[in-house]
Amino acid sequence: GESVGLHLPTLSVQEGDNSIINCAYSNSASDYFIWYKQESGKGPQFIIDIRSNMDKRQGQRVTVLLNKTVKHLSLQIAATQPGDSAVYFCAEVLHGSSNTGKLIFGQGTTLQVKP
Amino acid sequence: SQTIHQWPATLVQPVGSPLSLECTVEGTSNPNLYWYRQAAGRGLQLLFYSVGIGQISSEVPQNLSASRPQDRQFILSSKKLLLSDSGFYLCAWRGPPPRPNYGYTFGSGTRLTVV
Repeated sequence: GESVGLHLPTLSVQEGDNSIINCAYSNSASDYFIWYKQESGKGPQFIIDIRSNMDKRQGQRVTVLLNKTVKHLSLQIAATQPGDSAVYFCAEVLHGSSNTGKLIFGQGTTLQVKP
Repeated sequence: SQTIHQWPATLVQPVGSPLSLECTVEGTSNPNLYWYRQAAGRGLQLLFYSVGIGQISSEVPQNLSASRPQDRQFILSSKKLLLSDSGFYLCAWRGPPPRPNYGYTFGSGTRLTVV
C-alpha cells in the first residue's frame, strides 16, 4: 500500500456512467480501510470505510468492496458527476495501530469525468 | 466545532534555507497529530505523528523534524531545505474516541517549492 515512488493512474469516464476505482493493499494484517477523495490543492476528505470482517458496504452513490483473499479494495461510484473529478486514495490501518491512528495510503487514482 | 488551521498555504524557499510550517487545532483536547507529505502526482506519505505534547514519532528518515510544544500545535521544521523537500504538506488530527469515520481531519495543506 505504500504510494511513494508510484505515479498516479488515471481513470476517465463519461458523466452519468459508473466508475470503479481499484486499490491493492499490502498488509494482510490490516483490519480497517478507508477511501478518501482529494480535490486539487486541498486535503483528503473521507468518503467511506469498511472493516475487514465485511466484504461490502454502501453509502450514498458509493460502494466499497473488499476482497481479502487477493488484498484488493474497490470503490464504485454510481452515476458519476463532474464534481466527482478528483484523486481517490485508499488507506489501510494495520491491526494494532488504532491507538496511534497511522494510515498507510495507496497510490491513488485520478478520476476525470467527461461531460 | 473542531477546526484545523495550517499555514502558509504556499511557500517558495531557496535551497539551504530553514523551514517552519505550523498547524493548530481548535475545539478538541489531546488530539493525535500527523504530518504527511505528498510529492507532485503521488500519494501521501506519513512523516511524523504525535500522541501528546513533546511526543514525536518519525516514520521515515529525512531532512525534516517535528515538534509539539503545545497540546494543539504541531510544527514541521528543517534547518536546511533540499530540493527533494518540495511537495504538498498536510497536517491532520484525530480526536479521542468516539471516532466516526476513523476520526481523521486533514488541513488544507501547504505547497512548498524549494528552488
